Amino acid sequence: DSGVTQTPKHLITATGQRVTLRCSPRSGDLSVYWYQQSLDQGLQFLIQYYNGEERAKGNILERFSAQQFPDLHSELNLSSLELGDSALYFCASSRSLGRGTNTGELFFGEGSRLTVL
Amino acid sequence: GEDVEQSLFLSVREGDSSVINCTYTDSSSTYLYWYKQEPGAGLQLLTYIFSNMDMKQDQRLTVLLNKKDKHLSLRIADTQTGDSAIYFCAESIRRGYQKVTFGIGTKLQVIP
Repeated sequence: DSGVTQTPKHLITATGQRVTLRCSPRSGDLSVYWYQQSLDQGLQFLIQYYNGEERAKGNILERFSAQQFPDLHSELNLSSLELGDSALYFCASSRSLGRGTNTGELFFGEGSRLTVL
Repeated sequence: GEDVEQSLFLSVREGDSSVINCTYTDSSSTYLYWYKQEPGAGLQLLTYIFSNMDMKQDQRLTVLLNKKDKHLSLRIADTQTGDSAIYFCAESIRRGYQKVTFGIGTKLQVIP
């Protein structure tokens, strides 16, 4: 158990709909990362937050948005869903921004599997 | 920019050694990692190497780093069927904050 909790584990929805994926990081971790894993594109970095602020943005579509709340949990919102959005969405957390002797290990949740029909 | 590349698939026989290779582009990487993803699970850190090291050995795992060629490899000795998984290479770059870039993942199939 990594200590990172993601809900829901599975989600089936229709094209055009909107869903919200939730992530609770490990206790004490301030950084949250979102990744998308699909068969054809592998693991793609979407976005990173640190203590409520956006720190880095990857290949995140404009239809997607995220935020990190004061209690450090994070939500990834996916809207106007398309068939190609079907994927496994991972959240990961780490202790800090990576300063000092921290090795920067990321702790991953088990993922939320989204199926768009 | 940051880019990490690795092959998609590797098949080995049980008992043989597996070598998974990875190349990265950013010479300012501080740590390089190997993560393992078992079926139906999230990624889990397998091992890591600091950028000023050439080699790290941990039981059946050997990590080799060639900074000049920006090449990282993971060798698994005496590969077992339980080693079948997807292995991700990743690099960490710290410029005020940490950014971790992952490769696409190499699927290791171990044939009994």
